[in-house]
Amino acid sequence: GQQVMQIPQYQHVQEGEDFTTYCNSSTTLSNIQWYKQRPGGHPVFLIQLVKSGEVKKQKRLTFQFGEAKKNSSLHITATQTTDVGTYFCAHNFGNEKLTFGTGTRLTIIP
Amino acid sequence: DGGITQSPKYLFRKEGQNVTLSCEQNLNHDAMYWYRQDPGQGLRLIYYSQIVNDFQKGDIAEGYSVSREKKESFPLTVTSAQKNPTAFYLCASSINRAGYTFGSGTRLTVV
Repeated sequence: GQQVMQIPQYQHVQEGEDFTTYCNSSTTLSNIQWYKQRPGGHPVFLIQLVKSGEVKKQKRLTFQFGEAKKNSSLHITATQTTDVGTYFCAHNFGNEKLTFGTGTRLTIIP
Repeated sequence: DGGITQSPKYLFRKEGQNVTLSCEQNLNHDAMYWYRQDPGQGLRLIYYSQIVNDFQKGDIAEGYSVSREKKESFPLTVTSAQKNPTAFYLCASSINRAGYTFGSGTRLTVV
């Protein structure tokens, strides 16, 4: 089936360092969504990207959608302990149901 | 405040029992979804419903059943046919393919 690969699976960073997670697809995506799940919590919607080459920012978070709409990235500048969690990308291939990537688990070393 | 309420938060099931997980939303969303999450894993779609009285199987529907008699409610039954039901179950809703709103989840354990 259609899948989106997310890398890395795990990332450990010192507090204050930057962090990036990537989503890659072999087929063109109509849109990409990003979610954050805190340890023990539920996924929370962060953002949706729709346009080719789109870049959106939310404070220290920068989201990009590739020109070919086959990849996306989430970059966090100067990580803080509140950034701990698993970040998922997700997409719907032209239908209603959302398929999630495997996630990147971010841990922060104080 | 609008949102999704899942209950119970923790559920223990004996071998061979059916159990039903509740999901209620007051967001007036048409679409509702059930996902399963295993430790350290991503989310896999069990069932989804786009309108009342209609639902479709997701990627891992075997051993589960749902109903959608009201717009606000989308209960999930984990049947005895589900061989490995221990997991974290998440209900979500959405409108117009925008971002999903998730409930706080139910942790099901087979004892």
